[in-house]
Amino acid sequence: SQELEQSPQSLIVQEGKNLTINCTSSKTLYGLYWYKQKYGEGLIFLMMLQKGGEEKSHEKITAKLDEKKQQSSLHITASQPSHAGIYLCGALGSPSNTGKLIFGQGTTLQVKP
Amino acid sequence: DVKVTQSSRYLVKRTGEKVFLECVQDMDHENMFWYRQDPGLGLRLIYFSYDVKMKEKGDIPEGYSVSREKKERFSLILESASTNQTSMYLCASSPAGATSSYNEQFFGPGTRLTVL
Repeated sequence: SQELEQSPQSLIVQEGKNLTINCTSSKTLYGLYWYKQKYGEGLIFLMMLQKGGEEKSHEKITAKLDEKKQQSSLHITASQPSHAGIYLCGALGSPSNTGKLIFGQGTTLQVKP
Repeated sequence: DVKVTQSSRYLVKRTGEKVFLECVQDMDHENMFWYRQDPGLGLRLIYFSYDVKMKEKGDIPEGYSVSREKKERFSLILESASTNQTSMYLCASSPAGATSSYNEQFFGPGTRLTVL
C-alpha cells in the first residue's frame, strides 16, 4: 500500500524565517493535496498539485510537485504566527473516482514571535 | 461555501457504550469519509462511502460501523466503545470524478471523543 512520509515531524522557527516541509510518497503520485489544521479543528485545503514540475503559490506559501522523485515540498516565506499549525499532505492512492486519499503523519509548525 | 458539520465537538463516553457520530454535508457530494487522527499517526481512514447505502472499509475499520441512509448524512458507530478509541474523529466529503481536481476533500471541524 502507498505511504506518505512527511519531514520534519515538527518545526519551531522564529517569525520572519523561511521554512520547508517535505512529503515523499512510496508510489506514484496521481494528485497531491496540502492541508493546514489549527489545533483541535478540521483541515483547511491549501492547494492541490497534479503534474510533475507544477508549482502553486498562495500568499506566502508555495508548493511544488516533483513527480520523478514522488515528492512534494511546501515552502513558507517570512513566516508569521498565523502560519502555526499542523500541515498535512494527502495523495490519491489511485486515479479513481472514490476520492480516497492517503495522508502523511503531519508536520507541526510553531512560529515564535 | 461547502459546509461539513459534525454533531459534537467534544464527547465523553464510558467503556462499552454505543456511540454515534453524525456528519452532514450540504453540497450534494457523492463521497463521504470518516477518519481518526492520533498524534504521530496522521489521519487514518476508517470507512468511506461513495453512494447512499454503499460503504467500504478503510485502513482501520475494526470496532466501527457506518450508516449512509441519505446522501447528505454519514454516521460512524462505535458498537462498544473502548479506551483505545479515544481520538479526534474527522468527517470529510468530496464530489465524485475521475480526475484529481474533483477529489478535494472538505472537512468538518472534528469531534474529540474521550472514552473513560
